[in-house]
Amino acid sequence: DAKTTQPPSMDCAEGRAANLPCNHSTISGNEYVYWYRQIHSQGPQYIIHGLKNNETNEMASLIITEDRKSSTLILPHATLRDTAVYYCIDINNNNDMRFGAGTRLTVKP
Amino acid sequence: DAGVIQSPRHEVTEMGQEVTLRCKPISGHNSLFWYRQTMMRGLELLIYFNNNVPIDDSGMPEDRFSAKMPNASFSTLKIQPSEPRDSAVYFCASSSPQNVASGSSYNEQFFGPGTRLTVL
Repeated sequence: DAKTTQPPSMDCAEGRAANLPCNHSTISGNEYVYWYRQIHSQGPQYIIHGLKNNETNEMASLIITEDRKSSTLILPHATLRDTAVYYCIDINNNNDMRFGAGTRLTVKP
Repeated sequence: DAGVIQSPRHEVTEMGQEVTLRCKPISGHNSLFWYRQTMMRGLELLIYFNNNVPIDDSGMPEDRFSAKMPNASFSTLKIQPSEPRDSAVYFCASSSPQNVASGSSYNEQFFGPGTRLTVL
């Protein structure tokens, strides 16, 4: 079973920032937080990952709380093509990813 | 690179028939994963291989399911006999763990387009 909890759905206006929260209160010291997204009818796509520092790449930013029990994925300027299900996953070295239900983000014009 | 390749993309079969799904991972990747996705259960990890060796098959639902990886560039997931409840989208993913300075490793899994299986 997934060890993370996320809201089932969120809406965001096109061009605005989308902030997707995730709770991972049982995360251990060597477990990374990963974010993937799945656009309808496609396979999941990696977005970003982090251990304890905030991270940024061309797709998104990841803010991890100091106690590492929660994180927020930020899409700075959401577009209609960002409509997807977003998964937050914690994973240790054994590559065993357990996907939860994720957050269904709908970007509206 | 063409990415992870899966075939067929769609499969419709009758209950009791054998089904074989195929996956070609990204060249150079040493880990391969099979997932199943349904509306009811979401995305489930079935089995994964490291260097062609099955590491964890605890997600395989029952003995009707089997997976093989005869070499680094090919894997199969077989269902025999198939049942209507096996209807789902089956994804294959591959990765190549990257080591970081801390001594931990992380991996980005690259997913294929999936095979949509319908068992009538």
